[in-house]
Amino acid sequence: AQSVTQPDIHITVSEGASLELRCNYSYGATPYLFWYVQSPGQGLQLLLKYFSGDTLVQGIKGFEAEFKRSQSSFNLRKPSVHWSDAAEYFCAVGAEQAGTALIFGKGTTLSVSS
Amino acid sequence: DTEVTQTPKHLVMGMTNKKSLKCEQHMGHRAMYWYKQKAKKPPELMFVYSYEKLSINESVPSRFSPECPNSSLLNLHLHALQPEDSALYLCASSPVGNQPQHFGDGTRLSIL
Repeated sequence: AQSVTQPDIHITVSEGASLELRCNYSYGATPYLFWYVQSPGQGLQLLLKYFSGDTLVQGIKGFEAEFKRSQSSFNLRKPSVHWSDAAEYFCAVGAEQAGTALIFGKGTTLSVSS
Repeated sequence: DTEVTQTPKHLVMGMTNKKSLKCEQHMGHRAMYWYKQKAKKPPELMFVYSYEKLSINESVPSRFSPECPNSSLLNLHLHALQPEDSALYLCASSPVGNQPQHFGDGTRLSIL
């Protein structure tokens, strides 16, 4: 079955500390992987994507993610969290072609403490 | 600012009303999507249009009726909705070939 698992429902990180959000996937074909962020009352903003090539991908807002095929993981990292990073984070997997469904994880809520 | 524009941002309607949600993109994307999102949940796919043709309907009740008049516009017509249909409705688009999907800010729908 195709699925995405985000094991952490809620994470609290101190401002300036490093962050890692976990994502594991199960997908029958070559996975196209994404991280989205959603602030309250907003839509989803794409942070980064992985299609192929270098397994460490850089995204916007200082985020990066590493694809590990052997572990079926695509974890999101940031070296120093800012208060404005507090939001809901969704990992998603999809097929190559447009017009197909994305499979989302249940999301991780990030809180940032001062 | 997002490149996918959704109107209205908020909508309150009674169960007997008819209303429409609108989505517009000018990125030349040929796939467009409607999602429903309840609070603290991931988006759930409702419909997909590819090249202005409906390609996926995720068993959505007929009180939701999608329409894609051209490659830039996507509508969602609403009729006789139920209170449980209250949610954030998100539109997305993606280019031909590879993903990703680009999302609008959504329409917050409340059914009285």
